[in-house]
Formats: sequence, structure tokens, C-alpha cells
Amino acid sequence: DAKTTQPPSMDCAEGRAANLPCNHSTISGNEYVYWYRQIHSQGPQYIIHGLKNNETNEMASLIITEDRKSSTLILPHATLRDTAVYYCIVRVVNSGYALNFGKGTSLLVTP
Amino acid sequence: DTGVSQDPRHKITKRGQNVTFRCDPISEHNRLYWYRQTLGQGPEFLTYFQNEAQLEKSRLLSDRFSAERPKGSFSTLEIQRTEQGDSAMYLCASSFPGQFFGPGTRLTVL
Repeated sequence: DAKTTQPPSMDCAEGRAANLPCNHSTISGNEYVYWYRQIHSQGPQYIIHGLKNNETNEMASLIITEDRKSSTLILPHATLRDTAVYYCIVRVVNSGYALNFGKGTSLLVTP
Repeated sequence: DTGVSQDPRHKITKRGQNVTFRCDPISEHNRLYWYRQTLGQGPEFLTYFQNEAQLEKSRLLSDRFSAERPKGSFSTLEIQRTEQGDSAMYLCASSFPGQFFGPGTRLTVL
């Protein structure tokens, strides 16, 4: 799986949009971008994934650049409960391979 | 609650003791993964089952570690002769195909 690079930490004010960047310059054509988050002392939680088109669900939006070398996870109206570590992972969809988490971005949402 | 359960949630043991953890995946999921997570790090892959077959093991899974998934249902992870370096959160995930994680078992080896 291709490697990803994320900033170690970010802050966001409650109610504002949180934009979490991820670089994946060596991504292959059949690799998807996945985002998970982990709230303190809990297991990781799936957020969203995409190949090349922008994706949106009830939790977040995923914007992938045209060259697919980077992406941004957007939490449109961050709440205190969004404080977590966010992991950007690239992998072949539906493969049996394990997820390569890296260190992620620690997002702190402040009142 | 993802539907994946793990037991126990916390385990404190003395160095040299054996411990066993259990994971109950979502019933229709045929893939099951074990990960280990130490403080400040992301989860690291340990091993993977498809149904009852253990298909992959990482180099992190030393000879003291063994995992089983009898009948392709629940799975157990056993650590023999625990060491202080085994202290970590042990996470289980089941997949069909997206991975859903349990709450983890936090192991402390004194």
C-alpha cells in the first residue's frame, strides 16, 4: 500500500469546518483513499473512502485532487465530539490486506 | 457500537503469565483481523483470518503469540509468558469488506 503523510496535529473551533489534509503521492491506480478516526480509548471508526471522485456522507466529505496525490477530509461543522486522531489510509478496495494506519492527525476541537 | 465485541476490556497481569483475549465479530463477516496499538501510535497489524484459515501473520507476532478462529466464528489471541513490552491495546476488526473495529482489550503487564 502507498504511504501517506499527515500533519501530526490540528486545532479547530467548534462549529467551524475542519479540513484535514493527506498526501499520498505514490498512490496506485487501483488504490482507494480511506479515512478512519479513533476517539480516545475506543477502536477506530470508519468515516469515508473514495477513488477519484469527491465523496460525501453523513459524517464528512472527501475531496481528492485530480492527480490523486493528495486529499482532504472535511468535517463541515466540527463538534467537541469530533476530537480524535484521524487516519488517512490508501489500499486496494475489498482486499484482504490489513490497514496501515501510520500516526494520523490529532484533531482538537475547542469551544 | 460496531457489533464487534471484545473480552475482557482490561487485563492486568504479571510478567511471565499467559493471557487470552476473545473477539466476537459481526456474524456474517468472514474476515477477522487482530491489531496492536501502543501509546501514541496507530494500530499495527498482527494477523488476519478468512473464515477459519489464518492467512497472514506480521513479524510482530512472535512465537509467544498464537491466534485461532475455530469454525470461522469468534477468535482468540493468546500471549504466553507475557513481557512488559506486550502492554498495549489489542484491537479486533471484522470485515465484509470494510473493517469494523471492536473496543479493544487493554493489556497491562506488571
